[in-house]
Amino acid sequence: DGGITQSPKYLFRKEGQNVTLSCEQNLNHDAMYWYRQDPGQGLRLIYYSQIVNDFQKGDIAEGYSVSREKKESFPLTVTSAQKNPTAFYLCASSPSGVREEIDTQYFGPGTRLTVL
Amino acid sequence: GEDVEQSLFLSVREGDSSVINCTYTDSSSTYLYWYKQEPGAGLQLLTYIFSNMDMKQDQRLTVLLNKKDKHLSLRIADTQTGDSAIYFCAESIGGNTPLVFGKGTRLSVIA
Repeated sequence: DGGITQSPKYLFRKEGQNVTLSCEQNLNHDAMYWYRQDPGQGLRLIYYSQIVNDFQKGDIAEGYSVSREKKESFPLTVTSAQKNPTAFYLCASSPSGVREEIDTQYFGPGTRLTVL
Repeated sequence: GEDVEQSLFLSVREGDSSVINCTYTDSSSTYLYWYKQEPGAGLQLLTYIFSNMDMKQDQRLTVLLNKKDKHLSLRIADTQTGDSAIYFCAESIGGNTPLVFGKGTRLSVIA
């Protein structure tokens, strides 16, 4: 089955701890994205990567870090510097090379992070 | 700049049609998208329309695009309780750039 997986589904962390959220895709997509969703706020872009070993900051990158060492993986680390990390985190990917599909993003099921 | 606006709530009776509206500001948008999000889940792509089209129909879904007014709508015919969800409008200017999302419209279907 092709798709995007995120793990874990629920994550609890104590204040002051770093935590890494996993995102894997087997769709052979070049681009991957991380969004944060808070109630009533829609989606806000944290980081995105258009190619392996390269990534760009989104609108709310402070307190987060990413890596893109493999095409299929784009882990997000929520650091202790993130002031209010409790949120729903969504990973997405998009293909390249096929005109109609260029920007279409496909989403994983999300990880709900709660800071205790 | 890019901005996508949607009304936050819509309530309809089962069997009626739902119309969810969206306005965008970037005139260079190439694709416009509708996504559906059920509680606790990721976003599911419903449909998209290329900016040189006026209308696209897919079973119960009809997308209308008024490029002059930068207005996009999603009509759901014969709305069912399973259509209750948050619907996001998104625009893209192309080239694998990130989509810009609206805040989402919460559709409630009353039986």
